[in-house]
Amino acid sequence: GQSLEQPSEVTAVEGAIVQINCTYQTSGFYGLSWYQQHDGGAPTFLSYNALDGLEETGRFSSFLSRSDSYGYLLLQELQMKDSASYFCAVRAASGGSYIPTFGRGTSLIVHP
Amino acid sequence: DSGVTQTPKHLITATGQRVTLRCSPRSGDLSVYWYQQSLDQGLQFLIQYYNGEERAKGNILERFSAQQFPDLHSELNLSSLELGDSALYFCASSPSLAGLDEQFFGPGTRLTVL
Repeated sequence: GQSLEQPSEVTAVEGAIVQINCTYQTSGFYGLSWYQQHDGGAPTFLSYNALDGLEETGRFSSFLSRSDSYGYLLLQELQMKDSASYFCAVRAASGGSYIPTFGRGTSLIVHP
Repeated sequence: DSGVTQTPKHLITATGQRVTLRCSPRSGDLSVYWYQQSLDQGLQFLIQYYNGEERAKGNILERFSAQQFPDLHSELNLSSLELGDSALYFCASSPSLAGLDEQFFGPGTRLTVL
């Protein structure tokens, strides 16, 4: 089976930089994704890493190390609107299917 | 707006009842996924359909079933409802079978079982 570990909560101040880590255990790994979810809202896609290294999209960056089964989401110049839950997710191939598994989410609280 | 629609937005029902949740994927997307999200829980993958066929199964209870119709909309049927089935149910769509990068989520259906 698949499992992901991420911190349950992270707090930071406006304007700061925060890193949300994710470690995973899976077979047939096909990449690590990150999603943002505001309270009661729909998850929205942030990034996807299939290969090792850093991917940057505006204020958000995502990193993957396949050898360490580890990734992180980096949020820079934090804004109050970044307060939300962040989920890492993996795809694992299983008998011709691609099973998505999400972590339990990290609640990011941004203080003024 | 992701382009994925779900109805109804809210559903309140009693234990033992049966309900149907409906999802219309983004135009052109062939894959539909169903997820359950309970309070303070992550997203639990239930089932995936691709172009009308079931393609992947997660932790879906036998009391739950789904199907995807020729127009690609999907329905999730929940029967013999229990209190523990109260949750947010999301559907998501993607253009490909593997959906390895981005899934587009609908606004969800909040199910309350009393």
